[in-house]
Amino acid sequence: DAGVTQSPTHLIKTRGQQVTLRCSPKSGHDTVSWYQQALGQGPQFIFQYYEEEERQRGNFPDRFSGHQFPNYSSELNVNALLLGDSALYLCASSGGQGLGETQYFGPGTRLLVL
Amino acid sequence: GQQVMQIPQYQHVQEGEDFTTYCNSSTTLSNIQWYKQRPGGHPVFLIQLVKSGEVKKQKRLTFQFGEAKKNSSLHITATQTTDVGTYFCAGQGGSEKLVFGKGTKLTVNP
Repeated sequence: DAGVTQSPTHLIKTRGQQVTLRCSPKSGHDTVSWYQQALGQGPQFIFQYYEEEERQRGNFPDRFSGHQFPNYSSELNVNALLLGDSALYLCASSGGQGLGETQYFGPGTRLLVL
Repeated sequence: GQQVMQIPQYQHVQEGEDFTTYCNSSTTLSNIQWYKQRPGGHPVFLIQLVKSGEVKKQKRLTFQFGEAKKNSSLHITATQTTDVGTYFCAGQGGSEKLVFGKGTKLTVNP
């Protein structure tokens, strides 16, 4: 049973560029959440996708957008990259619609913006 | 918005000593979850607490959820070097959004 997978594992970009990160949820899960974890901080919620729609969003600008595909995999897109976007980007999947569903995290993508 | 505060930020112990990290939410939670992140790794789910006053144990780890469902703690008895990492609490309020604390980084001196 495959867990949550993310690609790429590492990425280096320059300011102003655009980046796309990918996530495949754990088998049987239909909900994907994205988090940004800056160095020394806890993960911060970006948004959550369910049934191919953004269901909730955290306090992130519109430069951060996402998509969920019919097979439940998801992409996170960040436009006009800033130095401050350098972080570990985590994807987490869960299997239900209700509160209290355990979220399983992937290994993350480490993004460095120069 | 909902905030989750966690203390201490850092804790250094000698192997065999106990360790406790505390978590406080600005709002009442529906549940609280605890995660462990090893250096260079990703958060790994440890446990979820749902009921007021709930206490759960996992070997040397004891998790508590406050009566008011606004605070929680994780206690490790007789720490080992394998306990090294950052421990995060994460609360869910009225939505599925998980709000993480900043974590407590535990180092253990052998």
